Amino acid sequence: AQKVTQAQTEISVVEKEDVTLDCVYETRDTTYYLFWYKQPPSGELVFLIRRNSFDEQNEISGRYSWNFQKSTSSFNFTITASQVVDSAVYFCALSPRGKLIFGQGTELSVKP
Amino acid sequence: GAGVSQTPSNKVTEKGKYVELRCDPISGHTALYWYRQSLGQGPEFLIYFQGTGAADDSGLPNDRFFAVRPEGSVSTLKIQRTERGDSAVYLCASSPSAAAPGEQYFGPGTRLTVT
Repeated sequence: AQKVTQAQTEISVVEKEDVTLDCVYETRDTTYYLFWYKQPPSGELVFLIRRNSFDEQNEISGRYSWNFQKSTSSFNFTITASQVVDSAVYFCALSPRGKLIFGQGTELSVKP
Repeated sequence: GAGVSQTPSNKVTEKGKYVELRCDPISGHTALYWYRQSLGQGPEFLIYFQGTGAADDSGLPNDRFFAVRPEGSVSTLKIQRTERGDSAVYLCASSPSAAAPGEQYFGPGTRLTVT
């Protein structure tokens, strides 16, 4: 079975706090891709990052960083020094081939 | 350049009616995807096209749902005999190719309400 689990349904933080969004996936494929998407209140999904299964290097992009651990089937996303504009629903997704399999999403609320 | 566009943005229909939802992908993108998103859920895959052919239609819930992409560009998702449970936001996405999964660019969606 192919599945993505985002156990945190909602997270609320105060601006400037760091926050980590968890993602655990299941797949029997040896080659696959992992993604994070942001869905702001406007509704349109915005691509954030793609990772392939052979590249376990952590990645940092500005205030965003991603920790991919194949041993625990996790692909966690950290926002450093959160801002109000980070408030959105964040989705983790798995792509064994072509289609995306999304998790349930984590709604992040950043309060001023 | 222009992103993925979807029309209509909202569609209200009565139970039992037929609807068509349209997707215009980014120019030059050969892969096109349809997803359905219910309130509070992640998008759920329906079907994807590589060129004109449906490469994977395993997500279509039943035979009331059908999609076409006759010229390898615009796609139409067709729902026959709509049911209240079909109410959701239908999302379309495109990417340069499905062969090496890159980021999929999503449209704004069509909100379908079946009364």
